[in-house]
Amino acid sequence: QKEVEQNSGPLSVPEGAIASLNCTYSDRVSQSFFWYRQYSGKSPELIMSIYSNGDKEDGRFTAQLNKASQYVSLLIRDSQPSDSATYLCAARGGDYKLSFGAGTTVTVRA
Amino acid sequence: DTAVSQTPKYLVTQMGNDKSIKCEQNLGHDTMYWYKQDSKKFLKIMFSYNNKELIINETVPNRFSPKSPDKAHLNLHINSLELGDSAVYFCASSRGSSGVNTDTQYFGPGTRLTVL
Repeated sequence: QKEVEQNSGPLSVPEGAIASLNCTYSDRVSQSFFWYRQYSGKSPELIMSIYSNGDKEDGRFTAQLNKASQYVSLLIRDSQPSDSATYLCAARGGDYKLSFGAGTTVTVRA
Repeated sequence: DTAVSQTPKYLVTQMGNDKSIKCEQNLGHDTMYWYKQDSKKFLKIMFSYNNKELIINETVPNRFSPKSPDKAHLNLHINSLELGDSAVYFCASSRGSSGVNTDTQYFGPGTRLTVL
């Protein structure tokens, strides 16, 4: 079983819509969770981190964490063509290593 | 100013060769990492150094040998390259490692290695 699993996608949304990305993790001890955005041919870039249960908002991005369900999500509101990228979910486990999901590719249609 | 830099950006080589990738960070971070990203975009930790000391050593063939001359540099040497080594290799750095749950990793631009 993979440590971090993401909905496989690809996810296609119209411009202005909400893109919803989901992630589950297997290590119950995980305390820190991160969403990275990776454009094609580029390096991962941190867009959100979340450590406590509940929602965390930053501009058009909202991360949600539910430790009881071992579930993390990312909502992108008012999606723009520039949001088209692969989104990587990562969890820091009890061994302090960062485990990444396989990524969800999002395409925003103009 | 580039925070985490890697050289070379592209590396094309024949099977059996030995090659090195260099990484430097100017963020004053104590911890550096090497990740491998395969064709399916799966990003996997290979090694991590904290203040020149190896702290993470995943199940990686011993043809891969990291070296950290100082805490700002982490190089990756690969012996006897194989076809399966073709991937993008990312260097990353962060302020600290164990015990720092909020520690954020910053990635370099990547080195695309192609083994023919």
